[in-house]
Amino acid sequence: GIQVEQSPPDLILQEGANSTLRCNFSDSVNNLQWFHQNPWGQLINLFYIPSGTKQNGRLSATTVATERYSLLYISSSQTTDSGVYFCAVEGGRRALTFGSGTRLQVQP
Amino acid sequence: AAGVIQSPRHLIKEKRETATLKCYPIPRHDTVYWYQQGPGQDPQFLISFYEKMQSDKGSIPDRFSAQQFSDYHSELNMSSLELGDSALYFCASSARDRGPTDTQYFGPGTRLTVL
Repeated sequence: GIQVEQSPPDLILQEGANSTLRCNFSDSVNNLQWFHQNPWGQLINLFYIPSGTKQNGRLSATTVATERYSLLYISSSQTTDSGVYFCAVEGGRRALTFGSGTRLQVQP
Repeated sequence: AAGVIQSPRHLIKEKRETATLKCYPIPRHDTVYWYQQGPGQDPQFLISFYEKMQSDKGSIPDRFSAQQFSDYHSELNMSSLELGDSALYFCASSARDRGPTDTQYFGPGTRLTVL
């Protein structure tokens, strides 16, 4: 099946800093989503982005499908951004395969 | 906007008992997915339904079964529970053939603890 790798696995930032999270996938995809899992376990949709660039407030994402990677940018980070960020892709079967996540901690 | 509803939110069971988890998809969504997330792990796909028919199957144990009903809600039935079944169970829904994108929207999850 399709493989999804995320980097870095852990990230500690000071409030106000910017960061870039990366997701590499091993095959062509029909769907790519970025999620934020908060400390209470909720999976929050950030972006549906199988290709191209999108922005939502302080967050933006870019997927280069031909090179099989996606990037999530977080600007001016806040403590509420803490949690785990997952990239998930759908290729072949109609189900998401998740990466192992990037655990982000934003310190005040 | 309406979201995916899951019940119960928390469930505690003993080994070898059974459990039933329920999922109510976003209105007019035609596809339901179930995922299992163990402690410290990423969510793993279990099974999906499209228009009330099983669509895809992932790493779902034989002790588990699921179905989607005429009103599109879905139930995940788990029997002979084991300690390793303790996890967060997510239901997601999408409008595979009824919307501009195939975004999967996740419910809040059911946290199952097996003692």
